[in-house]
Amino acid sequence: DTGVSQDPRHKITKRGQNVTFRCDPISEHNRLYWYRQTLGQGPEFLTYFQNEAQLEKSRLLSDRFSAERPKGSFSTLEIQRTEQGDSAMYLCASTLQIAGFHEQFFGPGTRLTVL
Amino acid sequence: GQNIDQPTEMTATEGAIVQINCTYQTSGFNGLFWYQQHAGEAPTFLSYNVLDGLEEKGRFSSFLSRSKGYSYLLLKELQMKDSASYLCAVKRWGKLQFGAGTQVVVTP
Repeated sequence: DTGVSQDPRHKITKRGQNVTFRCDPISEHNRLYWYRQTLGQGPEFLTYFQNEAQLEKSRLLSDRFSAERPKGSFSTLEIQRTEQGDSAMYLCASTLQIAGFHEQFFGPGTRLTVL
Repeated sequence: GQNIDQPTEMTATEGAIVQINCTYQTSGFNGLFWYQQHAGEAPTFLSYNVLDGLEEKGRFSSFLSRSKGYSYLLLKELQMKDSASYLCAVKRWGKLQFGAGTQVVVTP
């Protein structure tokens, strides 16, 4: 257990439905990242926050995806009008951004299946 | 992912040594991480290199050559529990870019 938690761990939904995932980072960590991982691939960057500010979104992130970190603590990732291609593991990671080395600590992930 | 290349799979016997190579594009490079990921679990941190040379941590060592865009992860005295995917990740412009991972299979 890294101290990063994600909820739910598994989500099965029908195509066209909206889903929302939550990530609770390690409490003193100021940066929070979202990744998506499909079978046989490494995690793929989606977006990240420095405190409550969203600093970057991947070009791969369509306008159906939105993420928030309203108080600089937990974050939510929402997918609207889900498609079968959205099926993947969604990973959250957090880190304390200071000068030098900063390891990212990953949560257990939310596995999304879109039927 | 994004020109980070590592072998797909490697097989080795218990007690042996395995070296996993990773090559990457050098633009924007700001550090290289190795993560271990067991099936169905989150990645866990193994090592970090930002300067050239070898970093040793117990049975695991990682090497970096920035000019060559090359790193390797060395796993010594392999144990069955080391069977996992090993992810090479390059830090660029504040975020990590991962390779597809190398599946290491340890046989008795």
